[in-house]
Amino acid sequence: QSALTQPPSASGSPGQSVTISCTGTSSDVGAYNYVSWYQQHPGRAPKLMIYEVTKRPSGVPDRFSGSKSDNTASLTVSGIQAEDEADYYCSSYAGSNNLLFGGGTKLTVL
Amino acid sequence: EVQLVESGGGLVQPGGSLRLSCAAFGFTFSSYSMSWVRQAPGKGLEWVANIKQDESEKQYADSVRGRFTISRDNAKNSLHLQMNSLRAEDTAVYYCVQRRALAFQSWGQGTLVTVSS
Repeated sequence: QSALTQPPSASGSPGQSVTISCTGTSSDVGAYNYVSWYQQHPGRAPKLMIYEVTKRPSGVPDRFSGSKSDNTASLTVSGIQAEDEADYYCSSYAGSNNLLFGGGTKLTVL
Repeated sequence: EVQLVESGGGLVQPGGSLRLSCAAFGFTFSSYSMSWVRQAPGKGLEWVANIKQDESEKQYADSVRGRFTISRDNAKNSLHLQMNSLRAEDTAVYYCVQRRALAFQSWGQGTLVTVSS
């Protein structure tokens, strides 16, 4: 199965909102409410930011939010801060115990 | 606090074998499914394998099925990945990951596997 599609880059100035998309198919993103998002700073392990499309783990700031429409999921960072500059990856369940990742999006805070 | 500590990475020749281990601390290991996820240098994340709490189910990515074996020892709070017939394209940082349903909740710091002659 192919990876999910993310834009390679996104950017915004501090305080702005930025949305990163994650496009799959009717067999993965569109079929299940099991989309998750991960933040990865250079040289560090990924960190879970959103799970089951919209849920935030304890400790994740509420400026991070998730949504989904049809075959596309989105991560929105509202009021971005310098520390939000990182790579972001989406993941979706694809049935038959398969989990797909997106190619990643580098978020730059201008 | 959840802590996952991987070990066993290193340099191996193509066709060789390596066994990765992950020691788990700070949570009831036997209550969670666990996974391995890898990341090739400069590339994105790739799910490798899953194992259920009681080892009743194991799943593998197509790219490693038949070559890699995931296992766990709940008595020792440890997760393992036996990697055989290694290829250059298996070169990556391998992460041990605690699962939360169908998300990857907590990650170790990773261990680097390099397959090269």
